Amino acid sequence: RKEVEQDPGPFNVPEGATVAFNCTYSNSASQSFFWYRQDCRKEPKLLMSVYSSGNEDGRFTAQLNRASQYISLLIRDSKLSDSATYLCVVNRADALNFGKGTSLLVTP
Amino acid sequence: SQTIHQWPATLVQPVGSPLSLECTVEGTSNPNLYWYRQAAGRGLQLLFYSVGIGQISSEVPQNLSASRPQDRQFILSSKKLLLSDSGFYLCAWSVALREGEQYFGPGTRLTVT
Repeated sequence: RKEVEQDPGPFNVPEGATVAFNCTYSNSASQSFFWYRQDCRKEPKLLMSVYSSGNEDGRFTAQLNRASQYISLLIRDSKLSDSATYLCVVNRADALNFGKGTSLLVTP
Repeated sequence: SQTIHQWPATLVQPVGSPLSLECTVEGTSNPNLYWYRQAAGRGLQLLFYSVGIGQISSEVPQNLSASRPQDRQFILSSKKLLLSDSGFYLCAWSVALREGEQYFGPGTRLTVT
């Protein structure tokens, strides 16, 4: 089993839609979780950390389910500018493990 | 505020040629530093990380090496490039090795011909 798994997509959604991504991880000892955003041919940028109780940042909501070892990202009221690849990231003992990403395309 | 620089932005090199990519961080002391490679259509692969000057941990030996001659400088090198070395090379820094967020430089896009 891969350490961090994501559906690669692409997810094609209209503007204003709500879209959710899931990610599963294999290491039950992981303690830190993040979502990064990567635009085409650019570096990844931290979108948000994921806390045990769940957290929200504007239109973005992240959830963590430790029992099932999955993380989710919900984007409400999608904007054209949300089009990007979203990387799920989980810590390991000495570094971070990055998923391959889920591609989102928001269309007019 | 902290900034991270990488150069060059793009590079085209023939097979068998040497490589040197440089990364520097400003605005922080004793950062943890990382080199990643992202091949076309693939995820981020951790190549090396460093917790201090002269301290390098290798994830994927291959034909690449890394050095940290100064606190905020991280260099990725190769003596002879392979076609499979093509990719997007990203340097990143973090404060805490185990749990902290990582912040990436703009990357170097390397094409080996």
